[in-house]
Amino acid sequence: DIQMTQSPSTLSASVGDRVTITCRASQSISRWLAWYQQKPGKAPKLLIYKASSLESGVPSRFSGSGSGTEFTLTISSLQPDDFASYYCQQYNSYPWTFGQGTKVEIK
Amino acid sequence: EAQLVESGGGLVQPGGSLRLSCAASGFTFSSFWMTWVRPAPGKGLEWVANINQDGTEKYYVDSVKGRFTISRDNAKNSLYLQMNSLRAEDTAVYYCARAPSGWYFDLWGRGTLVTVSS
Repeated sequence: DIQMTQSPSTLSASVGDRVTITCRASQSISRWLAWYQQKPGKAPKLLIYKASSLESGVPSRFSGSGSGTEFTLTISSLQPDDFASYYCQQYNSYPWTFGQGTKVEIK
Repeated sequence: EAQLVESGGGLVQPGGSLRLSCAASGFTFSSFWMTWVRPAPGKGLEWVANINQDGTEKYYVDSVKGRFTISRDNAKNSLYLQMNSLRAEDTAVYYCARAPSGWYFDLWGRGTLVTVSS
């Protein structure tokens, strides 16, 4: 199975900060990577697919980059609605696997 | 508006069975792969199973193979997860989700809670 490792596990930031979350795959997954946002008690929400494609309706302050084994999710200017947990997911080969998550907290 | 609504969760004893349902509306259900996902303690989220548009392709995570069965009824716009031989570690909120090409998940339900305990 492909292991997905996110860093950091927790991130403290202020409104307006630029935030970057890293996701590393245990083997190359080309660009077959998605990013999700999840708030407590809610279902996850798709933000990015194919490493850098922005899902319809997602604000442009979210962006994704990377290929192979290293990927990043960047929030260009953190907004109050962005305090949540973020997960990466690979869909290069079954079983699809997720990272353990990064919680973005208010500093 | 596209929507997924899960049902069927509850409390079940170890070794018991449960059938989850997911009702789809607002989109052409028969055109999409569908999936079940659950949170996994310390591991974030865990993909459980996928099924293609006509139900001829199914994939499972190893931890549920032989115990869980994913199925669908396109006439009823419904997705199912039959869970047998349930274990304490299967306790979770189970989400159904729409999966374009079976890859990532662009529409999620609100989840249904399964608790396996004696």
